[in-house]
Order: sequence, then C-alpha cells, then structure tokens
Amino acid sequence: KQEVTQIPAALSVPEGENLVLNCSFTDSAIYNLQWFRQDPGKGLTSLLLIQSSQREQTSGRLNASLDKSSGRSTLYIAASQPGDSATYLCAVGDQGGSEKLVFGKGTKLTVNP
Amino acid sequence: GAVVSQHPSWVICKSGTSVKIECRSLDFQATTMFWYRQFPKQSLMLMATSNEGSKATYEQGVEKDKFLINHASLTLSTLTVTSAHPEDSSFYICSASRQGGLYGYTFGSGTRLTVV
Repeated sequence: KQEVTQIPAALSVPEGENLVLNCSFTDSAIYNLQWFRQDPGKGLTSLLLIQSSQREQTSGRLNASLDKSSGRSTLYIAASQPGDSATYLCAVGDQGGSEKLVFGKGTKLTVNP
Repeated sequence: GAVVSQHPSWVICKSGTSVKIECRSLDFQATTMFWYRQFPKQSLMLMATSNEGSKATYEQGVEKDKFLINHASLTLSTLTVTSAHPEDSSFYICSASRQGGLYGYTFGSGTRLTVV
C-alpha cells in the first residue's frame, strides 16, 4: 500500500528565503506525482505535475524534482513571498490504473513579511 | 487550463434533509471524477471514484446509501448526502481527470457542509 510522507509538517520562514519541501513515497511504481497548494477553506490548486519518466518540472519560482528510485520528490520555492503562505500537498498517482491519488498530510508554510 | 467548477461553495441544512453537490468539468471531458472529504487540519480522504455511466466505487467505510454519487455525463458528477446529520458536516471536494490521469488531476473549490 502506497504511503506518502511530507516533511516538515509546518515551516515558518522570513520573506525572501529559498525553501525546500520534501515528499517521500514507499512504492516507486508511480504513474505521476503532483504538487498542490491549498489555501484555508479552499480547494486544491495544481502547481506542478511530474510524469514518472521525468526528473523535474519548473513553473516560475517553483521547481519540483522527482527521484523515483529513492521514492522522493522535493518542491523548491525561490524568493518566498507572503502570498506563498498555504498548505502544500504532495500526491502520487497510482500506476496500477486505478487513477487514485495518494496524498501526504501536507506542509503548512508561513512566509512572514 | 483545465477547470472544475463545484457548487455550492457552502451550504447549511437541517438534520434529516438531503443535500446535493455538483461538480462540473468546464473545458474538458472528465473520464473519472473523485469525491473527497476533508476534516479540519487533516488531509483529503477519498470517498469514491466515479466513471461516466457506471456505478461509483466507494472506499472502505464509506456508506454508499448515505453518499449517493451520480456521474451522468463526462462533465458532471453529483454527490448527494442523504438524511444528513451533524457528523456529516465537513468540507467536500471533487476532482476530475482525463486519459487515466495523464494530465494530472483538477480539483474543485470545495463545498463546506454544515448540518444543524
């Protein structure tokens, strides 16, 4: 059974810092991996999608890497801003065809002005 | 980009009544839709998976007679909470995918259900 772990559970940084969020998964046979952000009381916004054959994806100040063999992904946020404050969720797509996503519990990020 | 619309965004209902939540994919055909429930400060819990024109597949422990899911078209899925009770109060979120998740998953904005 796939399990996804996100570390740290919470992170507080001053504005302008570069930071890394970590995601690990137990079964390397994944279809893809997706990073989301969730603002309080809102749905999920997709940030980056990495297919199993890819090593990284970039969008603006965000860069996500994937190392399938070690069961790890990182989300790098450059020059953090207060607007980046949210909960970041890592989700792994099942390779078995069920299309189910397995979520980590998230990292709550606070960027202080 | 892919957009999923979910309505209503919040609803308050009396205990014993039923509530319907809609999830629509606006600019793509969603072969599969998912319904999640989220408790405060917790991650998402998958309730069921639905494919257009077929019965939904419910996760273990989810009452199919209480949470009725209909996926009548490739752009619309509905979740009906029947005979709602205060313990059903929660945040419900839908998501949609196409081509087996090849393009990832798009989520709705969620529905806050409060049963009084």
